[in-house]
Amino acid sequence: DGGITQSPKYLFRKEGQNVTLSCEQNLNHDAMYWYRQDPGQGLRLIYYSQIVNDFQKGDIAEGYSVSREKKESFPLTVTSAQKNPTAFYLCASSPGREALTNEKLFFGSGTQLSVL
Amino acid sequence: EDQVTQSPEALRLQEGESSSLNCSYTVSGLRGLFWYRQDPGKGPEFLFTLYSAGEEKEKERLKATLTKKESFLHITAPKPEDSATYLCAVQARSSASKIIFGSGTRLSIRP
Repeated sequence: DGGITQSPKYLFRKEGQNVTLSCEQNLNHDAMYWYRQDPGQGLRLIYYSQIVNDFQKGDIAEGYSVSREKKESFPLTVTSAQKNPTAFYLCASSPGREALTNEKLFFGSGTQLSVL
Repeated sequence: EDQVTQSPEALRLQEGESSSLNCSYTVSGLRGLFWYRQDPGKGPEFLFTLYSAGEEKEKERLKATLTKKESFLHITAPKPEDSATYLCAVQARSSASKIIFGSGTRLSIRP
């Protein structure tokens, strides 16, 4: 089945540690995104990528980093500079190369990140 | 400033009791308005896209409508399996690189 796979489902971070969240898609979509979801708040955009080897910052990029070396993969690293990392992280993709056009987003099932 | 506000935050209905969820938006030229359904611990699932005032779309017990300032998600004769959080999002023409999400309405349907 085509879709977006996020792993792990749950992740714990120790203080000062960098952690990486995986996102893989087999939908052949050009655009991929990372969102953060906090309880009672809307989704906030962290980073997005329109094409391999290119990505742009979203609204809350500080303390995060990404790479897009392959079309299928868009991993997110939560660095130690992110002081409040506890949240539900969602990866999404859309077909078009022009990111965030009026196309629907396909979401993964999310990763819950907590701080130890 | 572009903004999306959803109301109510939470809604509890009896099975079969119809109601509506509201999404009010302020955006400099609407490119598209989206509705998603999100189950606990899962990613959002796309429901509808609306592009212009007066447009309506339906899917099973759900109907989405759009005016120049708000969108409604009408749910007719809901069933317990319709329980979820419903998210509204807008995309502005002036900033196509940004989709703004509301905080959602948690809908609970009692049998």
